[in-house]
Amino acid sequence: AQRVTQPEKLLSVFKGAPVELKCNYSYSGSPELFWYVQYSRQRLQLLLRHISRESIKGFTADLNKGETSFHLKKPFAQEEDSAMYYCAIGAGSYQLTFGKGTKLSVIP
Amino acid sequence: EPEVTQTPSHQVTQMGQEVILRCVPISNHLYFYWYRQILGQKVEFLVSFYNNEISEKSEIFDDRFSVERPDGSNFTLKIRSTKLEDSAMYFCASSYGQGETQYFGPGTRLLVL
Repeated sequence: AQRVTQPEKLLSVFKGAPVELKCNYSYSGSPELFWYVQYSRQRLQLLLRHISRESIKGFTADLNKGETSFHLKKPFAQEEDSAMYYCAIGAGSYQLTFGKGTKLSVIP
Repeated sequence: EPEVTQTPSHQVTQMGQEVILRCVPISNHLYFYWYRQILGQKVEFLVSFYNNEISEKSEIFDDRFSVERPDGSNFTLKIRSTKLEDSAMYFCASSYGQGETQYFGPGTRLLVL
């Protein structure tokens, strides 16, 4: 069965500092990896998925199959980036399996 | 931009009662899902629905749970004989295809007393 691990429950960074939100997964096949974001009082929104290789709001994520990681990065954090971030895997089935989420707090 | 909508936003019920949570998926989507998130825990998959039948369900989705697409727009989750541990935020989602991006609704917060 697939599993997603987000080791940090809370991450605090200063505005302008680099951000890295960690995500590791376990799955033996070729996974689909996603990052979803949930701003305060809003719905889960797709931030990016690895297959599209897009950069959204300055965030990027590279799939590292050797390390089974899909860390989310941004070079310069902004206050509006404060939110809950969820890594998720879609692994050949219908469901998404989510990690527990990391709360990012950007300090002005 | 089209969005998934859910009603009600909050639902309070007594243990043992039945609740129906409603969702309107994005209109041209073909796959529909329910997830739940117990407070402080991760988002968990409940069920997926395609072509008017359940395509996959988790062990959480026991025989008290059922889903239905009663018409061309609504997708409902019914929970019979509710338990205290059913208290959670329930999210509906939809996607155009299998494995494609799932778009989530704002959620219904269910409280079972």
